[in-house]
Amino acid sequence: RKEVEQDPGPFNVPEGATVAFNCTYSNSASQSFFWYRQDCRKEPKLLMSVYSSGNEDGRFTAQLNRASQYISLLIRDSKLSDSATYLCVVKKDSNYQLIWGAGTKLIIKP
Amino acid sequence: EAQVTQNPRYLITVTGKKLTVTCSQNMNHEYMSWYRQDPGLGLRQIYYSMNVEVTDKGDVPEGYKVSRKEKRNFPLILESPSPNQTSLYFCASRDLTGGNEQFFGPGTRLTVL
Repeated sequence: RKEVEQDPGPFNVPEGATVAFNCTYSNSASQSFFWYRQDCRKEPKLLMSVYSSGNEDGRFTAQLNRASQYISLLIRDSKLSDSATYLCVVKKDSNYQLIWGAGTKLIIKP
Repeated sequence: EAQVTQNPRYLITVTGKKLTVTCSQNMNHEYMSWYRQDPGLGLRQIYYSMNVEVTDKGDVPEGYKVSRKEKRNFPLILESPSPNQTSLYFCASRDLTGGNEQFFGPGTRLTVL
């Protein structure tokens, strides 16, 4: 079983809709969580960190569920420019390594 | 501008011909890392370095070498490339004492014939 798992998609969503996807992690000792965004053939870039109480950044909301060991990303009022692959990243604070999910591809359609 | 640079961006080579992909960061980060990205497999770490002269294997180190003689540079060396090393490679750096954001270079698309 992979340490960090994501549904690869693609999720095809009409513009303006709300979309959410999850990422599960296997190591209960994981302490830090992030979502990165990767555009086609470009480098990943940090979208947002995920805090225990959940956090919001504009149209994006990230949630952490420690009991079920998953994090989620919700995008409201989706835009064409949101089309990308979203990578879930987990870090165990006992070491410096980041564990990367394979990504969920999102396609926003006009 | 804070950035990670990689060169070359694209490379087509033949089996067995030694090559080096350079990586440089201007953010004074201690931590640097190399990844390869293949369809369906996500980012897999090849090697990482916690500081100058300190390097360690990641998940897929076979067939690769690295060095960290200076803080800003972290080249990736393929002594004898093979077709299964055809991939998209990313260099990354991170400040271990500050935030958790990892900064990536623009990527190097390598094809080994």
